[in-house]
Amino acid sequence: DAGVTQSPTHLIKTRGQQVTLRCSPKSGHDTVSWYQQALGQGPQFIFQYYEEEERQRGNFPDRFSGHQFPNYSSELNVNALLLGDSALYLCASSLNPGLNTEAFFGQGTRLTVV
Amino acid sequence: QKEVEQDPGPLSVPEGAIVSLNCTYSNSAFQYFMWYRQYSRKGPELLMYTYSSGNKEDGRFTAQVDKSSKYISLFIRDSQPSDSATYLCAMSPYNQGGKLIFGQGTELSVKP
Repeated sequence: DAGVTQSPTHLIKTRGQQVTLRCSPKSGHDTVSWYQQALGQGPQFIFQYYEEEERQRGNFPDRFSGHQFPNYSSELNVNALLLGDSALYLCASSLNPGLNTEAFFGQGTRLTVV
Repeated sequence: QKEVEQDPGPLSVPEGAIVSLNCTYSNSAFQYFMWYRQYSRKGPELLMYTYSSGNKEDGRFTAQVDKSSKYISLFIRDSQPSDSATYLCAMSPYNQGGKLIFGQGTELSVKP
């Protein structure tokens, strides 16, 4: 079992550009959550996808959008990048939100905006 | 004021010491309480999970939740250099796989 996999591992983008990050959930999991972790801070919830729909959303602007595919993998898109978007972006997978199951995290994508 | 407060440390202890890590929170709706460990350049991994109030023990780790005081703790006995990492508390009103509210994380260093 490969666990949660994220790509790419590192990314450097210029302010104003757009970026797409990808996540494959742990085998058997159908729910994907995205978090932003700034340096020295705890992860902050961006949104959660289940059944290809956004189910919950944190306090992030509309520049942050996502998608879930029929195979449960997910993408996080960020438009009009700001320097403050530089962070570690974590993907977590779990089972049906109605069940109380553990969330497994990937290793993250380190995004640097210059 | 943040929903979850955690002392960022850093905390440095000698090998074999008992470590106490703590978080306070303000949202009384939180029912699910987790402790994650995060090594450098890695994603968080779940250490302990507790539902509502009470204690839970797993090997050298003990988690305590006091909902009346809105205070949770993680104790590490006989700490090892391999325990050196950042420890994150996390909470949720819904379930442990949903929207989690994290503390800032405490950086722990265990010296041989």
